[in-house]
Amino acid sequence: DGGITQSPKYLFRKEGQNVTLSCEQNLNHDAMYWYRQDPGQGLRLIYYSQIVNDFQKGDIAEGYSVSREKKESFPLTVTSAQKNPTAFYLCASSSQGTGYYGYTFGSGTRLTVV
Amino acid sequence: AQKVTQAQTEISVVEKEDVTLDCVYETRDTTYYLFWYKQPPSGELVFLIRRNSFDEQNEISGRYSWNFQKSTSSFNFTITASQVVDSAVYFCALSPNAGGTSYGKLTFGQGTILTVHP
Repeated sequence: DGGITQSPKYLFRKEGQNVTLSCEQNLNHDAMYWYRQDPGQGLRLIYYSQIVNDFQKGDIAEGYSVSREKKESFPLTVTSAQKNPTAFYLCASSSQGTGYYGYTFGSGTRLTVV
Repeated sequence: AQKVTQAQTEISVVEKEDVTLDCVYETRDTTYYLFWYKQPPSGELVFLIRRNSFDEQNEISGRYSWNFQKSTSSFNFTITASQVVDSAVYFCALSPNAGGTSYGKLTFGQGTILTVHP
């Protein structure tokens, strides 16, 4: 079955460490996105990519980095510069073209700073 | 800039009651898409409906119905005869229907936590 796989499901980070969240899709979607979810704030866009080797900052990109070397993969690195990284992170993908069919979301990664 | 407002932070109902979740949006785009997603405790977002700004017809799907009113920039969601399994966080979202770098970016509301008690 096609879908998006995020790993790990739970991740613990020590202060000052970089961590990388994985996102893989087998839907042949062109666009991929990373969202952050905090209680009471909905989902906020961190980064997005519409094609391989290209990506743009979203609304809260500071302290995060991404890469898009393959169409299927869009990993997110939470750097030590992100002062409050504890949150739920959701990856999504969408198809592009003449139609627009919405997003498919992964099951998320819950990151906790210890 | 786009904005989505879900004024109801939490709603609590008893099973079999009807419940309406409100969504108000702001956009300068003339064409756009509106969405509703459900987030159960497992965390994954489940797609419920997508509505094109050209189509103001209301829609009913089983116990779910949606009322889109462009004149008031609202896209409300009603669950009829609610069930315990409807308990989740519900998000309204907005996306432009345009080319360029804005294509496909979703703007979410803050979410409404719905609890249905047996």
